[in-house]
Amino acid sequence: GEDVEQSLFLSVREGDSSVINCTYTDSSSTYLYWYKQEPGAGLQLLTYIFSNMDMKQDQRLTVLLNKKDKHLSLRIADTQTGDSAIYFCAEVLSGTYKYIFGTGTRLKVLA
Amino acid sequence: GAVVSQHPSRVICKSGTSVKIECRSLDFQATTMFWYRQFPKQSLMLMATSNEGSKATYEQGVEKDKFLINHASLTLSTLTVTSAHPEDSSFYICSAARPSQRGYNEQFFGPGTRLTVL
Repeated sequence: GEDVEQSLFLSVREGDSSVINCTYTDSSSTYLYWYKQEPGAGLQLLTYIFSNMDMKQDQRLTVLLNKKDKHLSLRIADTQTGDSAIYFCAEVLSGTYKYIFGTGTRLKVLA
Repeated sequence: GAVVSQHPSRVICKSGTSVKIECRSLDFQATTMFWYRQFPKQSLMLMATSNEGSKATYEQGVEKDKFLINHASLTLSTLTVTSAHPEDSSFYICSAARPSQRGYNEQFFGPGTRLTVL
């Protein structure tokens, strides 16, 4: 099946770094995304990475991609209480326009 | 640019009634629109893909007679939940796609519609 796996929960203290992991399914996926969803809201695109990149940094966000292991991670530096939300990775299946979303990681930031 | 709206944001209805949800791309023409369903504390599941002027393509397990999709124009798609029942209660999210510099149809997501069926 097409299951994109993420750990369910992550709890960190304010000011620490958060690392959210994702294992995707399609080694030919060209783009991989990270989205943030706050309670009762839609999806907010955070960042993306192209499959020929190993790393992408965007302010407090760092995305690492290991194509061999089909592993994607999102690091949030200096995590703030406003970062508390659910984070979804998503892969774009090669040859299609379909986004397959991960199971979601609920990040809780403790003050 | 690339703003997608949904209406209504919340709807409560009685069992047996039908509910229509609108998805609009406000500042671009969408080649394709998508409808997702999200159960509480779960991920987004693709329900169907719709292209303007043609029938929607439904994912396996999604009842096409239950979830009617109409894509009347390049900026509007509607999802009608027919004869709604409590198990249809969910968060419905649409997205609209357009060609991007990244070389494929990138999706832009609406804010979602919370449906509660009593």
